[in-house]
Amino acid sequence: DQQVKQNSPSLSVQEGRISILNCDYTNSMFDYFLWYKKYPAEGPTFLISISSIKDKNEDGRFTVFLNKSAKHLSLHIVPSQPGDSAVYFCAASGVISNSGNEKLTFGTGTRLTIIP
Amino acid sequence: DTEVTQTPKHLVMGMTNKKSLKCEQHMGHRAMYWYKQKAKKPPELMFVYSYEKLSINESVPSRFSPECPNSSLLNLHLHALQPEDSALYLCASSQGLGGYYGYTFGSGTRLTVV
Repeated sequence: DQQVKQNSPSLSVQEGRISILNCDYTNSMFDYFLWYKKYPAEGPTFLISISSIKDKNEDGRFTVFLNKSAKHLSLHIVPSQPGDSAVYFCAASGVISNSGNEKLTFGTGTRLTIIP
Repeated sequence: DTEVTQTPKHLVMGMTNKKSLKCEQHMGHRAMYWYKQKAKKPPELMFVYSYEKLSINESVPSRFSPECPNSSLLNLHLHALQPEDSALYLCASSQGLGGYYGYTFGSGTRLTVV
């Protein structure tokens, strides 16, 4: 049961244009959403997050939008740069595991390629 | 120091071997995690330690045995693994439990079981 889904396994964007990465979730109990970036042979790096009580959070070139009614969030990167080429994971927290503690659930990832 | 350090970076082990993965952080984080990531899949949670106590075990087989000797160290002891256990094992830490704190990940240990 994949509770966090990224339906686009890959995305190619021209340098300087906007990259939009999408994420859908099914569990309304999630209360915090995060985006991570991962290069090959490295661990995921935290990019930006958003609380479920907000609909937008911006940090430099990165903006995350949350649409709770649609259970959808997106990450906008503008302008896109070659160094942004990586795999991007959406993650959500708030779901209580059997032990009563929150855990982070990751989406399947989208490979973003920025074309110079 | 804002890093999570994992050793070794690569490990090849036979199915009868016993080995350990190590993870270290000096950020004062009180929650530490082990994740497993197979190729083209998202990271999957294995264990969570909070204040050096095991708080989540996601029904992981007993051939994986976590240990948290102190607040800075997290080990994963491996014994009698199967080839399907080959994966990238990621350690992470956070100031507290929950997404608000964000997680800091290490670079991972690439494990191959032969």
